[in-house]
Amino acid sequence: NAGVTQTPKFQVLKTGQSMTLQCAQDMNHNSMYWYRQDPGMGLRLIYYSASEGTTDKGEVPNGYNVSRLNKREFSLRLESAAPSQTSVYFCASSVVVAGGADTGELFFGEGSRLTVL
Amino acid sequence: QKEVEQNSGPLSVPEGAIASLNCTYSDRGSQSFFWYRQYSGKSPELIMFIYSNGDKEDGRFTAQLNKASQYVSLLIRDSQPSDSATYLCAVCAGTASKLTFGTGTRLQVTL
Repeated sequence: NAGVTQTPKFQVLKTGQSMTLQCAQDMNHNSMYWYRQDPGMGLRLIYYSASEGTTDKGEVPNGYNVSRLNKREFSLRLESAAPSQTSVYFCASSVVVAGGADTGELFFGEGSRLTVL
Repeated sequence: QKEVEQNSGPLSVPEGAIASLNCTYSDRGSQSFFWYRQYSGKSPELIMFIYSNGDKEDGRFTAQLNKASQYVSLLIRDSQPSDSATYLCAVCAGTASKLTFGTGTRLQVTL
């Protein structure tokens, strides 16, 4: 039972390079999320997708784009990486109960540690 | 002002003692409250959630919620070295897209 799978787990970029973080979940969850975690800042929401075909900005969306490719996959793209984007990135999905509402309970991937030089 | 406040710690307790972790929040519209545990270098995992005022017990863990005081806590009884981790408080004002995390309290359980 894989749960939420993220790739790559580690990446080093130079300023200005682009890259995509991939995320897939096999729990049939409707909602998926991208967070970043920085020391002293906690987890901050970058983008989320409530369902296939929809995406919305979170607290810190600048410098990022996302794609909800299908129900399983939600990717995060950095078009022109900056040192301020050095962080640990977590993909998550949430449980949906009967009626379509989600419960707020998140299942996280293992994280992707990104360093931008 | 941070919406969800936690003491960053470290909170050090001896093995077998009760660890008490506290969290305050600012949004009175918050409806559900979560405690996640995060081991160093790992991803957060949900350990408790609470929706109603009062206490909720699950094994050695008890979550306490006081909406009037905008306060939620986590008690860990009979603390074990394996409980050493960072505990993240999260507060939800509707859907998971409205989930706000605190910065976490680092707990150290000493032998």
